[in-house]
Amino acid sequence: AQSVAQPEDQVNVAEGNPLTVKCTYSVSGNPYLFWYVQYPNRGLQFLLKYITGDNLVKGSYGFEAEFNKSQTSFHLKKPSALVSDSALYFCAVRDFYNTDKLIFGTGTRLQVFP
Amino acid sequence: EPEVTQTPSHQVTQMGQEVILRCVPISNHLYFYWYRQILGQKVEFLVSFYNNEISEKSEIFDDQFSVERPDGSNFTLKIRSTKLEDSAMYFCASSPDGGTTNEKLFFGSGTQLSVL
Repeated sequence: AQSVAQPEDQVNVAEGNPLTVKCTYSVSGNPYLFWYVQYPNRGLQFLLKYITGDNLVKGSYGFEAEFNKSQTSFHLKKPSALVSDSALYFCAVRDFYNTDKLIFGTGTRLQVFP
Repeated sequence: EPEVTQTPSHQVTQMGQEVILRCVPISNHLYFYWYRQILGQKVEFLVSFYNNEISEKSEIFDDQFSVERPDGSNFTLKIRSTKLEDSAMYFCASSPDGGTTNEKLFFGSGTQLSVL
């Protein structure tokens, strides 16, 4: 069965510091991995994806994520956090061959303090 | 950038009543989805829809649920007889492609359904 775990309900970081939002996954086949972000009163917005190739993928707003197959992780990172990055972040996985549906984690609230 | 729009943003209903949640997907998209999130829990897949029929559905999507694309622009989710446990945020999403080539979904801002 496919699953995603986001172990932290909230991550707090000071503006200008690096941030990491953690995600681990379980999928039987080849994983498609995604990060989505939700700002207040908005829908989920696509940030980045890993399909194949380079383990470090770059996305919108300066975010990047590293795919680690041995640790089944796909942590979201940014070298220097902004207050405007404060939002709810969702990791998601899709089993490439078997289904069209995304399996989401519970979300991690990122709070960046000035 | 084009957006998926959902109405209403909040819906309050009595248990046993029928509700229809409405969505206008992005105009050139072909694949449509409903997801929901019960407070404090994961965002869960409900159903995917393509070419005027359901392509995939979850165990949650039982006979009380139905979807329709009545006029080529709207995409609706109907719950025939609501239960307390249907209270959740319902997200509509669309995509220009689907199946194994689906790489990105565009989500609406959600409808918060409260069943009393």
